[in-house]
Amino acid sequence: QKEVEQDPGPLSVPEGAIVSLNCTYSNSAFQYFMWYRQYSRKGPELLMYTYSSGNKEDGRFTAQVDKSSKYISLFIRDSQPSDSATYLCAMRGLGNFNKFYFGSGTKLNVKP
Amino acid sequence: NAGVTQTPKFQVLKTGQSMTLQCAQDMNHNSMYWYRQDPGMGLRLIYYSASEGTTDKGEVPNGYNVSRLNKREFSLRLESAAPSQTSVYFCASRDSGISTDTQYFGPGTRLTVL
Repeated sequence: QKEVEQDPGPLSVPEGAIVSLNCTYSNSAFQYFMWYRQYSRKGPELLMYTYSSGNKEDGRFTAQVDKSSKYISLFIRDSQPSDSATYLCAMRGLGNFNKFYFGSGTKLNVKP
Repeated sequence: NAGVTQTPKFQVLKTGQSMTLQCAQDMNHNSMYWYRQDPGMGLRLIYYSASEGTTDKGEVPNGYNVSRLNKREFSLRLESAAPSQTSVYFCASRDSGISTDTQYFGPGTRLTVL
């Protein structure tokens, strides 16, 4: 069983839609949660970083962590064609500062 | 400010050949990482260097070696390439603090081993 599970998609939505991207994980020791965006043939770039449970908002992006369910989400409001990319979740625990666990990524296509 | 740079961008090798992937960062970060990305597998850590002069194995180190040449540069070497090492390789450097934990990734090296 993978440490982090993520639906690969692809997810296709019309411009302006609200997008919900999700990851589940199995290790209750994970405390730090990240979302990366990766455009085709580029390296990932950090979108959101959260610690423990709760919500964090940054512009059109909201990250949610539910540790009791071992479930994290990224919401994109008013989605734009420029949001078309692969979104990777990542997480780590307190114990190993350098060990990150990545989801396999969800490919999002926002149609004009 | 170039961020993280990687060379080469593309490479084709024959089984048994060797090569070194180069990575450099200009952000004065202590920690650097090498990942491989395969379809359906996500990013998997090969090796990391928490500071200049130190290196440690990650999740999938077999068949690879690394060198942290100085604070800026972290190279990955394949001594005897195998088809299973066909992948996209990403180098990253890390900025971590009280309210941030950001890995900055390079553009990747697309490696095919025939």
